Formats: sequence, structure tokens, C-alpha cells
Amino acid sequence: DAGVIQSPRHEVTEMGQEVTLRCKPISGHNSLFWYRQTMMRGLELLIYFNNNVPIDDSGMPEDRFSAKMPNASFSTLKIQPSEPRDSAVYFCASSRGRRLGSPDTQYFGPGTRLTVL
Amino acid sequence: GIQVEQSPPDLILQEGANSTLRCNFSDSVNNLQWFHQNPWGQLINLFYIPSGTKQNGRLSATTVATERYSLLYISSSQTTDSGVYFCAVEYTGRRALTFGSGTRLQVQP
Repeated sequence: DAGVIQSPRHEVTEMGQEVTLRCKPISGHNSLFWYRQTMMRGLELLIYFNNNVPIDDSGMPEDRFSAKMPNASFSTLKIQPSEPRDSAVYFCASSRGRRLGSPDTQYFGPGTRLTVL
Repeated sequence: GIQVEQSPPDLILQEGANSTLRCNFSDSVNNLQWFHQNPWGQLINLFYIPSGTKQNGRLSATTVATERYSLLYISSSQTTDSGVYFCAVEYTGRRALTFGSGTRLQVQP
């Protein structure tokens, strides 16, 4: 399997522009996660989906962030308008999505390094 | 939410040395994973280990769930082991992982 695929790998944009990050989970995985990594806050969850439905979006910073999962093989994370404090590495991860309490390993994509000038 | 603490925060080793990294967590967990973030930023799964002991080559891990800690052992370290090691847990009722702040390991030749 190709693993979790993210694009773009690097994105440099100017403040105020819209940014869209993309993720393709591992085939057959039913859960998808977006995480953000910064020096100040480390790795933290933004949102996760199960069977294409958002389950926990408590980590989404504010209304400028939105995420969608239109089908089982694709998800987007959009920032509009972007700000310099959004600069970070954004990771997408997927898992089989077994019921809570059952073994369920998460596999991470390579990440998108976002720089907002 | 759950607290995940890793120690030591930084570790410098000579090639060939052994090391133990520790992860303490503040509540019962359903899932615990160890990751290695390499110098290129990639997060690599090392172990899924909510309890018990597992070994994979020079690496092994032990989780004592009743005492809320996990240990990652690296034996005969190599320069390619350098990077940041993260412990992450999934606690009851929440599928997502909560990460510790990591242990930064540098193995010198």
C-alpha cells in the first residue's frame, strides 16, 4: 500500500490567502485525523472523521479552519484567510477505525509544511 | 484531558550505547503508540503497545498500564536512531491520540 498521501508537501503563501491541504488515507481505513505540529504546542489534534463523518472537531482553532471528507478516499483542510501563526506542519493520519477500546493503530502521512508570510 | 509526560527531554549518546525513554500518562488508556520522527520530519510507527512487552530488532517497549507508564529501550544505538521519539495515547472515549512533548535523541559517531 502507498500509505497516507498528503499534498502539497510544502506550501508558502501570503497572509490573507486561502490554503487547501489534501489527504488520501490508506485504502480500507475508516478513520481519518488531521494533526498540527508547532514548536510551541507540539503535536495536537485538529479534527477526526469516522466513516466520512466529523466526530471531534474540538481542536479546530477557529472559524478560519474547515475540514471536509466528501468520500472515503479524500479529505481537505482549508484555512481562509491564512495568518502567519498558522505556520506549522500539518499531518494527516488514518486507521481502520475499529470500535473504541479495540486495537487501532494510526498511520501518519509525510505532512505538509505550511509557511504563511 | 489526559497528561502525557516524556523523559528525558534530550539525550545524547555515543554510537553503540543503550538507552531507556520513559512515558508517563495520567489516566487509563486504550491505545499507546511510540513514534520516531526522523530528521526529515516523518513520523514512523515503532510500536502499538497499550500493555505488555514487544520487541523489534534493537528496539523494545514495555507498557505497565496499571502503573500508567511505558518504556522504550534502544540497544546498540546507531546514528540513524537520531531524531525525536514521541509517545502518544488514546484514552477512554476519545479515538484521537494525545502526544507527549517528545525525547530528542542525538547519537554521535
